[in-house]
Order: sequence, then C-alpha cells, then structure tokens
Amino acid sequence: DAGITQSPRYKITETGRQVTLMCHQTWSHSYMFWYRQDLGHGLRLIYYSAAADITDKGEVPDGYVVSRSKTENFPLTLESATRSQTSVYFCASSGLGARDEKLFFGSGTQLSVL
Amino acid sequence: QKEVEQDPGPLSVPEGAIVSLNCTYSNSAFQYFMWYRQYSRKGPELLMYTYSSGNKEDGRFTAQVDKSSKYISLFIRDSQPSDSATYLCAMTYGNNFNKFYFGSGTKLNVKP
Repeated sequence: DAGITQSPRYKITETGRQVTLMCHQTWSHSYMFWYRQDLGHGLRLIYYSAAADITDKGEVPDGYVVSRSKTENFPLTLESATRSQTSVYFCASSGLGARDEKLFFGSGTQLSVL
Repeated sequence: QKEVEQDPGPLSVPEGAIVSLNCTYSNSAFQYFMWYRQYSRKGPELLMYTYSSGNKEDGRFTAQVDKSSKYISLFIRDSQPSDSATYLCAMTYGNNFNKFYFGSGTKLNVKP
C-alpha cells in the first residue's frame, strides 16, 4: 500500500549504542521530517529534508544524524543513544504543490534507551 | 508566547454531543490549517485540511478558520466513543514547507 512506513515499531537499546530508525514513503514527496513526541513538549522537529541530499536541522537536532540519498528514504540515526532520547519518533512527509501543504505521518517508533 | 495555543483538556462529553475543539495562533501569515486525530500509541492522522478562511465539512466533522480572530475550530457532531483521541491542530504558510506549527493537543473522551 502507498504511504509512509516506519521501522522498527518498538526498539529498546542501551546508552551509548548507535540506533537507526527507518522511514520510507511511496508518494514521492519532496519534503520529509523527523519529529519526536514527548509528554509536555508536544511534537518537536529534529531534522527535515527538502529533497534528496538536502537536509537541515530542526528544533532539537543534537545527538541525531540524518541522510537522504533517495527521495523515498529518510533514516534517522542516534549516534550514541542517551536516556533523554527515550521518546516516540515520527517520520512525516509533505508534497510541494499549490495549496497542498499537507503533512502525513508514519505510525511511529517507540524508542526506549536504558 | 507560543505560535499556536491549544487547550490540553481533557475534554469529556457524553456520546452524541457536539464537540468543539479550538486553537488560537499569533502569526497572521498562516494560510494552511490542519487537524489531526491521534489515538494512543499511534501516529497523527490527518483529519481535515483547510486553505485560508472559511468552513470545510466532511461527514460529522467541520473545520472552521477565522483569520481575522486568528482562531480555528473543529466541530464533531454526534460524537462517538471511537472519537476518543487526542486532537492536534497544525498550521503553516506558503513557501515555508519546512516548518509546521503544532498545538499541544486536546485529549477528548466520549463516554458511552
């Protein structure tokens, strides 16, 4: 089915480990985003990408790395996981177009850093 | 001051009630307005999308934008227990595709 998929759905890791969260979309949307959602903070933008090979920082980028070699994929890597990165991570995408600035979310990855 | 303000609730209503959810915003440049529904442990699901001012209706849901008051609303008619979720408003403006502004979400509970 077309859409935006994230994997894994759940992940438990230890502090200091590297973790990669995957995101794949089938709409050929130009823009892709990574958000984290925490109680009391709502949705916060980590990184976004305007197109393949174009990425930029959002509100809370420290400790995260992204890449976008293909339009459809936008992985998020935690280089050395910390407990403060325990959160629910959502990938999202949006198409560029006149009056079509809708944002679509994936199902999320629940990450626990022990 | 936050760009978008939303009452976190929780809002508890009996089944069949009309629900009104609201957001206020400060940036008059916002043109695109969205409402999302988020069930527990799920991703936000796009419910309604409106460009500029006016009303939009989809089944039991009506989205309303009042740009002069910087105020948007989502009305749910004949609310059902399955409508129990957190509702998030979001908005952005033209040529600003990298930035969406979200409300903190209102938790709605529809009691059978």
